[in-house]
Amino acid sequence: GAGVSQSPSNKVTEKGKDVELRCDPISGHTALYWYRQSLGQGLEFLIYFQGNSAPDKSGLPSDRFSAERTGGSVSTLTIQRTQQEDSAVYLCASSLPTSGADTQYFGPGTRLTVL
Amino acid sequence: AQSVAQPEDQVNVAEGNPLTVKCTYSVSGNPYLFWYVQYPNRGLQFLLKYITGDNLVKGSYGFEAEFNKSQTSFHLKKPSALVSDSALYFCAVRTMNRDDKIIFGKGTRLHILP
Repeated sequence: GAGVSQSPSNKVTEKGKDVELRCDPISGHTALYWYRQSLGQGLEFLIYFQGNSAPDKSGLPSDRFSAERTGGSVSTLTIQRTQQEDSAVYLCASSLPTSGADTQYFGPGTRLTVL
Repeated sequence: AQSVAQPEDQVNVAEGNPLTVKCTYSVSGNPYLFWYVQYPNRGLQFLLKYITGDNLVKGSYGFEAEFNKSQTSFHLKKPSALVSDSALYFCAVRTMNRDDKIIFGKGTRLHILP
């Protein structure tokens, strides 16, 4: 596609429910990143995929968070038993992984609100 | 460990004046440095990056940044600010090991006053 797309754009859920966020990267981009942006907190790295594997999961805040990527393309970030502190904008980015200097292209984000 | 600092949460500049958004970094080895911008209600966009070579990097929308190895800084600059430059700016650093994650600063909100 023309850019990174994310769905849904907004998600309101009740505390304790599970949510699934989707990221569709730019075609041909094998590197995919998930970030969380909370008010006043900047960008918090969550997880990085190279193809379908995740060499760096160090940013996942708890075991309630998981992510997968299949077919080297679409990725889903799942948050189980959501808590109010999970409320944030979740951003996805993709890049060509030819080197660490690759520019990341960001999607519009999913705004998650946990009531 | 890698880190990046943006010491100013907010910068106010009058339209037409030069602007500077500060960024300092800490990384073992040579860094890759990036600036991204987030306009209101829009996603992050790449502005410019330093990989190697000339310390002065020019990017989108008339922005430039200077890599200063001795001061471990990568300040973003523009000679003449526009009201439309008002946005949230993020500095980021990464090492040359492609398995290292990119680290973003907390962001600096730039307000250009008409």
